[in-house]
Amino acid sequence: DAGVTQSPTHLIKTRGQHVTLRCSPISGHKSVSWYQQVLGQGPQFIFQYYEKEERGRGNFPDRFSARQFPNYSSELNVNALLLGDSALYLCASSLGQVEKLFFGSGTQLSVL
Amino acid sequence: GENVEQHPSTLSVQEGDSAVIKCTYSDSASNYFPWYKQELGKRPQLIIDIRSNVGEKKDQRIAVTLNKTAKHFSLHITETQPEDSAVYFCAASPNTGNQFYFGTGTSLTVIP
Repeated sequence: DAGVTQSPTHLIKTRGQHVTLRCSPISGHKSVSWYQQVLGQGPQFIFQYYEKEERGRGNFPDRFSARQFPNYSSELNVNALLLGDSALYLCASSLGQVEKLFFGSGTQLSVL
Repeated sequence: GENVEQHPSTLSVQEGDSAVIKCTYSDSASNYFPWYKQELGKRPQLIIDIRSNVGEKKDQRIAVTLNKTAKHFSLHITETQPEDSAVYFCAASPNTGNQFYFGTGTSLTVIP
């Protein structure tokens, strides 16, 4: 099915570097959210974008930023990577701002 | 902010038996409660959800119950099968946006 797609699937970076993760929502979905999932834990909310505007931000430092494009795809940027940023980054899309979330397969980020 | 607690962290049942996973939440503003199933290395998939104006919802072998007064909700899986083995996450969301707060997950093993 044409679900939420994320790229890349895996990424290895070193401390201090910058990373950009990409997400394409399900066709017709206007909301994109980003979550961080550390091994053995539930996903933690990072950002939500709806109609290209930030509608919510979780408890993450300013090193994390995101944006949504006119075609509703989204990027998550993380600057000055730390070892603790190693995690699975999940993108999820939904029809509206308060709707069911459908997740992508994620980007596994390893920071060495 | 919202705090979601999930129990147990691991659960083993014999094939054909029932499994129950329980979650509590702290924010009375939360009004949407989805459950996700995540198989190893795969994306979280929505299996059932319930809104706060409903006390119970059933979909074949899966049911969810919600007690708003006590702020807890539960997932019930009957006639478990080996393919039900996965990590299950509960989540809570206020109606102000799609910021989902996830529990820490329950690793369910169904023994054939």
